[in-house]
Amino acid sequence: EVLMTQSPATLSVSPGERATLSCRASQSVGSNLAWYQQKPGQTPRLLIYGASTRATSVPARFSGSGSGTEFILTISSLQSEDFAVYYCQQYHLWPLSFGGGTKVEIK
Amino acid sequence: EVQVLESGGDLVQPGGSLRLSCAASGFTFSTYGMSWVRQAPGKGLEWVSSISHSGASAYYADSVKGRFTISRDNSQNTLYLQMNSLRDEDTAVYFCAKYYESGSFYLNHFFDYWGHGTLVTVSS
Repeated sequence: EVLMTQSPATLSVSPGERATLSCRASQSVGSNLAWYQQKPGQTPRLLIYGASTRATSVPARFSGSGSGTEFILTISSLQSEDFAVYYCQQYHLWPLSFGGGTKVEIK
Repeated sequence: EVQVLESGGDLVQPGGSLRLSCAASGFTFSTYGMSWVRQAPGKGLEWVSSISHSGASAYYADSVKGRFTISRDNSQNTLYLQMNSLRDEDTAVYFCAKYYESGSFYLNHFFDYWGHGTLVTVSS
């Protein structure tokens, strides 16, 4: 089983600042990595797939990078609507697995 | 508009059974893989099971293997999750999720549309 570890657990950022979220896989998952955003009481939203491809209607301030075991989600200039929990998911191997999440909160 | 709507969540005693349903619309259901993902109260996302567009292939998390069965009825555009031998740790909101890509079940097991979930509570 591929263990996905996200860090930090909580990230405090001021609006307009850059946020950098990390996701590490216990073994290589190639570029088979997706990122989701979940706001309280809402359903998860696909942001990034293939490690770096933005999903439809996702703003350009969201970008993904990495391959193998190390991945980064960057939000270049945080907007008020970006404060949420972010999850990474590997889809390279069964069983599929999610990271524990990073909560981005207002500083 | 793509919609997936879960139902069937309830309070059930440990050892009991429950069947969840997910009604899909707005896309050609029979051409997309589907999944169940759960989220325990205050916790993160946990993948539960996936099924191919035809229903011929299915995969399960180790935590539910042998107890849960995923299935689908393409004539009714409906996904199911039969849950048996339920445990306290199965308590969660269960989301139905649509695969991003149609067709092949060999690649790209990630999800672009999720329902709002149905709550399963296992407690005596």
